Amino acid sequence: AQKITQTQPGMFVQEKEAVTLDCTYDTSDQSYGLFWYKQPSSGEMIFLIYQGSYDEQNATEGRYSLNFQKARKSANLVISASQLGDSAMYFCAMREEKQGAQKLVFGQGTRLTINP
Amino acid sequence: DTGVSQDPRHKITKRGQNVTFRCDPISEHNRLYWYRQTLGQGPEFLTYFQNEAQLEKSRLLSDRFSAERPKGSFSTLEIQRTEQGDSAMYLCASSLSRGRKGYGYTFGSGTRLTVV
Repeated sequence: AQKITQTQPGMFVQEKEAVTLDCTYDTSDQSYGLFWYKQPSSGEMIFLIYQGSYDEQNATEGRYSLNFQKARKSANLVISASQLGDSAMYFCAMREEKQGAQKLVFGQGTRLTINP
Repeated sequence: DTGVSQDPRHKITKRGQNVTFRCDPISEHNRLYWYRQTLGQGPEFLTYFQNEAQLEKSRLLSDRFSAERPKGSFSTLEIQRTEQGDSAMYLCASSLSRGRKGYGYTFGSGTRLTVV
């Protein structure tokens, strides 16, 4: 069974600093995808970044990058130059990348607070 | 296109009552998903549809829960004889069945159910 572990319940960071949110995963599948979502207080889940298990380079999307270490089964999210609007819950998730497998398995989340 | 819409945003009901939630996906998306998120946890998969066919159901979806997607457009999630443990945020998402593996999930803002 797939499992996602986020060990940081909360993180507090000064504005403009970089922050790393930890995510480790467990799966027996060879082909899988890793996702990060942001959930502001309004409730919607906003897609941030994706990493495929066979992607050789770490994914980047603007200020977001994913530090993918396959052997260690970790997929940490790095946010550079944090902004006040980054304050939210952040969820790591994974999905099998095979036909018919569609569900995302989420971690418990990390609440990020950016201080001015 | 206004994204994934969920109605109502909030629902308070008495224990034992039936409730129904609606989700309108992005119009060209043929896949639709339901997730449940309890306080302090990540979302948990409930079920998903491809067009009008319900292709996977989680063990979380007890006999009191039923989901439909008539004509492959909007979907409804009904909970019969609600219990206090059903209090949660119910999230809907939609996607295309083709396209880049990592993308395509668009979540709605959710329906927050409180059972008193």
